[in-house]
Amino acid sequence: KQEVTQIPAALSVPEGENLVLNCSFTDSAIYNLQWFRQDPGKGLTSLLLIQSSQREQTSGRLNASLDKSSGRSTLYIAASQPGDSATYLCAADPTNQAGTALIFGKGTTLSVSS
Amino acid sequence: DAGVTQSPTHLIKTRGQQVTLRCSPKSGHDTVSWYQQALGQGPQFIFQYYEEEERQRGNFPDRFSGHQFPNYSSELNVNALLLGDSALYLCASSTEAPYGYTFGSGTRLTVV
Repeated sequence: KQEVTQIPAALSVPEGENLVLNCSFTDSAIYNLQWFRQDPGKGLTSLLLIQSSQREQTSGRLNASLDKSSGRSTLYIAASQPGDSATYLCAADPTNQAGTALIFGKGTTLSVSS
Repeated sequence: DAGVTQSPTHLIKTRGQQVTLRCSPKSGHDTVSWYQQALGQGPQFIFQYYEEEERQRGNFPDRFSGHQFPNYSSELNVNALLLGDSALYLCASSTEAPYGYTFGSGTRLTVV
């Protein structure tokens, strides 16, 4: 059974710092890995999708990598800003078959102070 | 391009009552999934609808049921509400191709 773990559960950093959020999964046979942002009480905003044939994706100050063999993904945030404060969730898509469900970690809550 | 739309935004119900939540998928998406997110937890998969049929179901009791309409919109119904059903309910849409999921803003359900 696929399980997704995110470490740390919470992180506080000063503005401007570069940081890494970690996501690990127990079954390396995943298809896609998707990172989301969630503001308090709100829905999920997709940040980056790493498809099966890819190893990383970049969007602005965000870079996500995927290493299936080690069962890990990382989300790198450069030059953090107070507006980055949110909970970050990673989700594994187990197969490329229709009907599969995303398996989420519990998230990392990030607080960036000015 | 409208994303995923969910209604209502917030809802308060009494134990034992029934509730219906609604979701309109992103334009071009034909598959709708529902997730339940308890406070401090990651979303948990409830079920997925495609071509008006329930295609896959997570570990939720039969009190949770759904429907998909010909225009791909979907409803989530929960009967005999329990206090433990209080959560954020998220709808996600996608296409057959594995291009990721788009989530709505969610419906916050409080059962008192």
